[in-house]
Amino acid sequence: EPEVTQTPSHQVTQMGQEVILRCVPISNHLYFYWYRQILGQKVEFLVSFYNNEISEKSEIFDDQFSVERPDGSNFTLKIRSTKLEDSAMYFCASSVAEETQYFGPGTRLLVL
Amino acid sequence: AQSVSQHNHHVILSEAASLELGCNYSYGGTVNLFWYVQYPGQHLQLLLKYFSGDPLVKGIKGFEAEFIKSKFSFNLRKPSVQWSDTAEYFCAVNAQNYGGSQGNLIFGKGTKLSVKP
Repeated sequence: EPEVTQTPSHQVTQMGQEVILRCVPISNHLYFYWYRQILGQKVEFLVSFYNNEISEKSEIFDDQFSVERPDGSNFTLKIRSTKLEDSAMYFCASSVAEETQYFGPGTRLLVL
Repeated sequence: AQSVSQHNHHVILSEAASLELGCNYSYGGTVNLFWYVQYPGQHLQLLLKYFSGDPLVKGIKGFEAEFIKSKFSFNLRKPSVQWSDTAEYFCAVNAQNYGGSQGNLIFGKGTKLSVKP
């Protein structure tokens, strides 16, 4: 069964550094998403992406964040200058239509 | 603004006990409703979903959920839990609009289920 994959599984970085989180969505899916979950809190929507552009974004997704689909398979989330409060589990998801989303295993980001 | 409430933070049951996890949402329009499960060390997996039609939906592993529109609820049930059901369960909604569904899922805080063998 096809799955969403994410790399790396864990990332430790220093405050102020840039990080890129990578996702490979399910191959015939057209909609892509990033969510995050700060430890002990809810899973929160960050951004959705369709047809090579952002379709929705939350208040969390400020100028420090960007997304890209650099080729036909990868979907990346970049955080330009990480802050301590960016420490969280980041989940990528994909869907055929804007309904049932399938999630990847997550990347645990720790900002020191 | 949409929100999802899961009232139980941690539920502890013995094997063969019946399970009901509450989920209420707040939204004035039509929604799609989901339950996801996260087993220890694994990613979020879809258990079941409701878009329209029969308000009682059946999912994988013997789970079911009932959509009660008047109560804005979508409670998850299983008649007899097993140790392997130990996991965290998340209720989520997204809104339907004229163009189809809005993408972003709004999640509840999750309910940890521990099943004692």
